[in-house]
Amino acid sequence: SQELEQSPQSLIVQEGKNLTINCTSSKTLYGLYWYKQKYGEGLIFLMMLQKGGEEKSHEKITAKLDEKKQQSSLHITASQPSHAGIYLCGAAVNAGGTSYGKLTFGQGTILTVHP
Amino acid sequence: DAMVIQNPRYQVTQFGKPVTLSCSQTLNHNVMYWYQQKSSQAPKLLFHYYDKDFNNEADTPDNFQSRRPNTSFCFLDIRSPGLGDAAMYLCATTDNYNEQFFGPGTRLTVL
Repeated sequence: SQELEQSPQSLIVQEGKNLTINCTSSKTLYGLYWYKQKYGEGLIFLMMLQKGGEEKSHEKITAKLDEKKQQSSLHITASQPSHAGIYLCGAAVNAGGTSYGKLTFGQGTILTVHP
Repeated sequence: DAMVIQNPRYQVTQFGKPVTLSCSQTLNHNVMYWYQQKSSQAPKLLFHYYDKDFNNEADTPDNFQSRRPNTSFCFLDIRSPGLGDAAMYLCATTDNYNEQFFGPGTRLTVL
């Protein structure tokens, strides 16, 4: 089965600092999803990457999928307290067939941003 | 406008007392998922529906059952909750496999 390892497990930064969260897969990634979760709430979709080398940005958050499609990084520029939460990467279980978009998730990275 | 709604948000039950969690969606998506998320852990898929086609994960305990009476609603039944079943239960939907829309979750406490 596919496993996703996120690093770091937790991160504390000062407001305004840049930061990077990594997600490494044990197998080739067919689709890599980034979600954000506030404590005690559901997951909010951030971005999806499919192609090796692909990079997407939304506001101050940029995600990349490396060429070999086994690692993704999430970069936040000039962090704000509103960025605080748990960031989860999720991978499509397989390329198609009956997977119906099933995801396996990393354990999450807890981000704290101090004002 | 809520798209995936879960009720209740917080559920307390007694050890062994059956409990039902509810999920409804206004997106008309054909796929619905139930995840279990324990404290500080990743969400774990329990099962999913593609329309009325039920797909159970191999390691989902028999204690967990699900019903989907129509496109909009999906229920998670826990027949005999144990202390180890205390968790956040997340419902999600999709129709294009590019994005799963998650509900706010139901936090289950077992006394």
